[in-house]
Amino acid sequence: DAKTTQPPSMDCAEGRAANLPCNHSTISGNEYVYWYRQIHSQGPQYIIHGLKNNETNEMASLIITEDRKSSTLILPHATLRDTAVYYCIVRLDGSSNTGKLIFGQGTTLQVKP
Amino acid sequence: NAGVTQTPKFQVLKTGQSMTLQCAQDMNHNSMYWYRQDPGMGLRLIYYSASEGTTDKGEVPNGYNVSRLNKREFSLRLESAAPSQTSVYFCASAGLRNTDTQYFGPGTRLTVL
Repeated sequence: DAKTTQPPSMDCAEGRAANLPCNHSTISGNEYVYWYRQIHSQGPQYIIHGLKNNETNEMASLIITEDRKSSTLILPHATLRDTAVYYCIVRLDGSSNTGKLIFGQGTTLQVKP
Repeated sequence: NAGVTQTPKFQVLKTGQSMTLQCAQDMNHNSMYWYRQDPGMGLRLIYYSASEGTTDKGEVPNGYNVSRLNKREFSLRLESAAPSQTSVYFCASAGLRNTDTQYFGPGTRLTVL
């Protein structure tokens, strides 16, 4: 699996967009980008995933660069409840493996009032 | 739906004691997983079960055993607990279609003295 690089921490003002970057320069053509988050002491929560097109759901948007070497998770209007550790994970399509996610150390996002 | 449930929430053991962590899911998922998370670290996969009746080792299986009791339940056993097994343990499950979209339980906080 390709490795990812994320900044260890970021701050964001409440109500503003939070943009969390992830580098995955060795990603293969059939590997997806997944994002999870972990709010203090809780189990991780799935946010979004994508292959090459930009994706949006009720929680966030995922922007993947054309060369697929990096991506950005966007929380459009961050709230205090979005304070968490955000993990970017690169994986083959789940149908071809048994879901062995590799969690790095992620980015700690602190949303401030 | 309760999602993924874990018992107990907290446990303190002495070195050499044994215990079983219980996990159950009510989403009719085929795949189930056990992870551990040490302070300041990402999650690491201990064991997983791709379907009822099958189990496989993850990254850090030493010192653990698992049982996939039925489709709903997946237990993790520590036969002789060691202080190095002090950690937070998370169980997760995933459906057949996409094993990388995993749903996590609330965790069990285990301290081995």
